[in-house]
Amino acid sequence: ILNVEQSPQSLHVQEGDSTNFTCSFPSSNFYALHWYRWETAKSPEALFVMTLNGDEKKKGRISATLNTKEGYSYLYIKGSQPEDSATYLCAFRTAGNKLTFGGGTRVLVKP
Amino acid sequence: EAQVTQNPRYLITVTGKKLTVTCSQNMNHEYMSWYRQDPGLGLRQIYYSMNVEVTDKGDVPEGYKVSRKEKRNFPLILESPSPNQTSLYFCASSLRAGGLKSYEQYFGPGTRLTVT
Repeated sequence: ILNVEQSPQSLHVQEGDSTNFTCSFPSSNFYALHWYRWETAKSPEALFVMTLNGDEKKKGRISATLNTKEGYSYLYIKGSQPEDSATYLCAFRTAGNKLTFGGGTRVLVKP
Repeated sequence: EAQVTQNPRYLITVTGKKLTVTCSQNMNHEYMSWYRQDPGLGLRQIYYSMNVEVTDKGDVPEGYKVSRKEKRNFPLILESPSPNQTSLYFCASSLRAGGLKSYEQYFGPGTRLTVT
């Protein structure tokens, strides 16, 4: 089983502050890196799919970068809002199309 | 409305009683997958399917079976459920997998299974 790690496991952010967190994955046999947002009692919702080294994706106040050579991706939230409170999951896809998820980073934005 | 549906949403059953959790998508997606979510272990892939009649094991396939006879359906079968299969199960689908692009997955609402 591949090792996909996310850090920190949880973080508290003051409303209006920006934050970022990390997903680490194997640097070999890379195919794609997915980010999902998962609110309590709901289903995971896709944020980004990243495939190329140096990729940067943005959706509103959330953005992500990808470094496949060193095996990490950062997710950034700019000007955090209470509605950003969720667990953020990354998932590593190999060429064999198996998907391995990290444990998630739980973000709590305090008003 | 484009969606992935799962049934049942909640199920309590006893050890050894065969059960099937259905999954259906209306988006003509080729790729479908099953995951289980357990506290402290995150989402783990059970089985996935690249297309009709093409299935493959994920990281935790033991104790489960799947089939893909039609493009829209991907049922998860527990032939002899055991208490360690108590979990929250998600089905997901994406347009396709493989090739030059990787596509985002759409998740179903989840099925909470308790095996006593």
